[in-house]
Amino acid sequence: NAGVTQTPKFRVLKTGQSMTLLCAQDMNHEYMYWYRQDPGMGLRLIHYSVGEGTTAKGEVPDGYNVSRLKKQNFLLGLESAAPSQTSVYFCASSYVPRQETQYFGPGTRLLVL
Amino acid sequence: GESVGLHLPTLSVQEGDNSIINCAYSNSASDYFIWYKQESGKGPQFIIDIRSNMDKRQGQRVTVLLNKTVKHLSLQIAATQPGDSAVYFCAENGGGADGLTFGKGTHLIIQP
Repeated sequence: NAGVTQTPKFRVLKTGQSMTLLCAQDMNHEYMYWYRQDPGMGLRLIHYSVGEGTTAKGEVPDGYNVSRLKKQNFLLGLESAAPSQTSVYFCASSYVPRQETQYFGPGTRLLVL
Repeated sequence: GESVGLHLPTLSVQEGDNSIINCAYSNSASDYFIWYKQESGKGPQFIIDIRSNMDKRQGQRVTVLLNKTVKHLSLQIAATQPGDSAVYFCAENGGGADGLTFGKGTHLIIQP
C-alpha cells in the first residue's frame, strides 16, 4: 500500500513550457485534491475532484487544468508555465471530504525560470 | 499562532519539555479539525483530529484542545524530542471548497 504518490519529484521549466504532474492513490478514495505551498504560507487549494470524471475549482485555479479519467489518478496540467507558478505542489486524497483527514503525497518541486 | 505574512511563527523548546502550538480558526461553522506535521522536504502528515462535540482528545504524546467559544485550537506535545522538529499546521472543515482550510503553520525548533 503506497498511499499517495506523485511524479515527478522535481522539475525545472522555462516560461511558456507545459507539463503535467501525476498523482496516484491506491486507497480507493473518491476525493482528490491539488494544493500549492509557497514559502511562509499554508496550503492553497488549486483544484479538486469528487469522483472519477469530475473536477472543480479551488481557491487558486488560474493557470492550471486538471483531469480525473481514472479514480486512482488525478493529473494537474500547466499549459504555459509562469514564474509565479514556482512552488511545491501536493496532491491529497480522502474518503469523505470534510469529516476525515486528507492523505498527502510527498510533493513535486517546480521551478519556472 | 498562525502567521499572515511570509515568515512562519517559530516556537523554540528544550528537548524534553512540553510544547504548545496554537491555532485560531476562522469559521464558526467548522466541526472537524486536524493537526498536521510537515518535515522539511516532505508532505504533511496527519497527527491527530478532533470533532466539535469534544473539547479534548489525546494520542500518543499529543493532545489537542478545542475551545469553540473563542475559536481556538491547540496542540500539546509532551516530552518533545528532536524528531518533533517540523512545521505544524491546523486545518478546519469550514470554507467554500469541498475540503479543508489550512492555517499557515508554526515552525517548532527543538533545542538540545
